[in-house]
Amino acid sequence: TQLLEQSPQFLSIQEGENLTVYCNSSSVFSSLQWYRQEPGEGPVLLVTVVTGGEVKKLKRLTFQFGDARKDSSLHITAAQPGDTGLYLCAGFNTNAGKSTFGDGTTLTVKP
Amino acid sequence: EAGVTQSPTHLIKTRGQQATLRCSPISGHTSVYWYQQALGLGLQFLLWYDEGEERNRGNFPPRFSGRQFPNYSSELNVNALELEDSALYLCASSTGTGSVLYQETQYFGPGTRLLVL
Repeated sequence: TQLLEQSPQFLSIQEGENLTVYCNSSSVFSSLQWYRQEPGEGPVLLVTVVTGGEVKKLKRLTFQFGDARKDSSLHITAAQPGDTGLYLCAGFNTNAGKSTFGDGTTLTVKP
Repeated sequence: EAGVTQSPTHLIKTRGQQATLRCSPISGHTSVYWYQQALGLGLQFLLWYDEGEERNRGNFPPRFSGRQFPNYSSELNVNALELEDSALYLCASSTGTGSVLYQETQYFGPGTRLLVL
């Protein structure tokens, strides 16, 4: 069974602070996705990373895929209240034919 | 371009009844995935359909079943509903494995909130 561990589980910070969320596994994934989900809604895709060592930037968000394609991180610079939500990472294994989701990091950014 | 759509948005049933949830993928996507997200828990993989066939199944009892239609829309059926089936059911779609444009990234619908009383 492939597992994805996300940390921290909960994070509450003040507006303007920086933060990093981690997604770790002992398994290798062919690709990894980060999603943001608001209560009662479906997850919205933020980014897909495919290549080991890959770094992608989306405005204030920086995503990194580990060299071995087993882990990933999401760094948010100068967090804003609009960043509040549940951040999910998902690793896809082509052989298994499915994505494995982490349990998520609930981020609260206070104004 | 329209995203993944799901219906109904909310569904209230009683124990023992059957529930049918529907999903329409993004145009051009032939793969459909179903997930269960219980309150406070992560996404649990239910089913994967690709080109009309069930390709993979999560660790759920047989009373969870589904199908994919020729237009690639999909239906999830839950028989003999139990209280613990109450959850947000999410559908996602992606390009199919048979496509030269195949990508693993899944795009999610807004979900169906199922409440079993």
